[in-house]
Amino acid sequence: ETGVTQTPRHLVMGMTNKKSLKCEQHLGHNAMYWYKQSAKKPLELMFVYSLEERVENNSVPSRFSPECPNSSHLFLHLHTLQPEDSALYLCASSQDRDGADTQYFGPGTRLTVL
Amino acid sequence: AQKVTQAQTEISVVEKEDVTLDCVYETRDTTYYLFWYKQPPSGELVFLIRRNSFDEQNEISGRYSWNFQKSTSSFNFTITASQVVDSAVYFCALSERIIQGAQKLVFGQGTRLTINP
Repeated sequence: ETGVTQTPRHLVMGMTNKKSLKCEQHLGHNAMYWYKQSAKKPLELMFVYSLEERVENNSVPSRFSPECPNSSHLFLHLHTLQPEDSALYLCASSQDRDGADTQYFGPGTRLTVL
Repeated sequence: AQKVTQAQTEISVVEKEDVTLDCVYETRDTTYYLFWYKQPPSGELVFLIRRNSFDEQNEISGRYSWNFQKSTSSFNFTITASQVVDSAVYFCALSERIIQGAQKLVFGQGTRLTINP
């Protein structure tokens, strides 16, 4: 059983396309995250949602638009992307317990922008 | 600012050898958490361990062990009797609380470990 699922696993899109990445967590957590992992940079936090409210937007370009309709689902809407946006996009979730929480990650969506 | 450094970009050893992955961190927080994650070729980040800043006891889990030393700001990871299935990229991370209920993980650049048969 996988606690955090992501779809699609692979996505190829042109620069003028609009697509969405989906993440679902089955762990009963109340915080969800989007990270970007590209070949030349360490894992970068993009967005954080806590109790469905966005609490962190890490200077991400507006061509990335997150949505968190409930505590189990997280989307990343993509439009007019650039080739440098090609990367592995990872979703994670966590639950604050005793002041600490562990983030559990999904398998990622590997995005290629042509 | 928080920072995590994994100086070893790649390590390659022969199966059954012991291997240690280094992690050095920087933080001004007095309370913080350190993590290790494993990323196999499939891409998913697999949680291995969490350690809080007040607990400097070393931890052992099977062939894995972790050495946390606050004095040197290090949190090293040792695999004993390595196996081919241990081949992966390993990330060390430091948490930074954003608000109650959510934290930001600052990752090192990762160490690619290859275990050769």
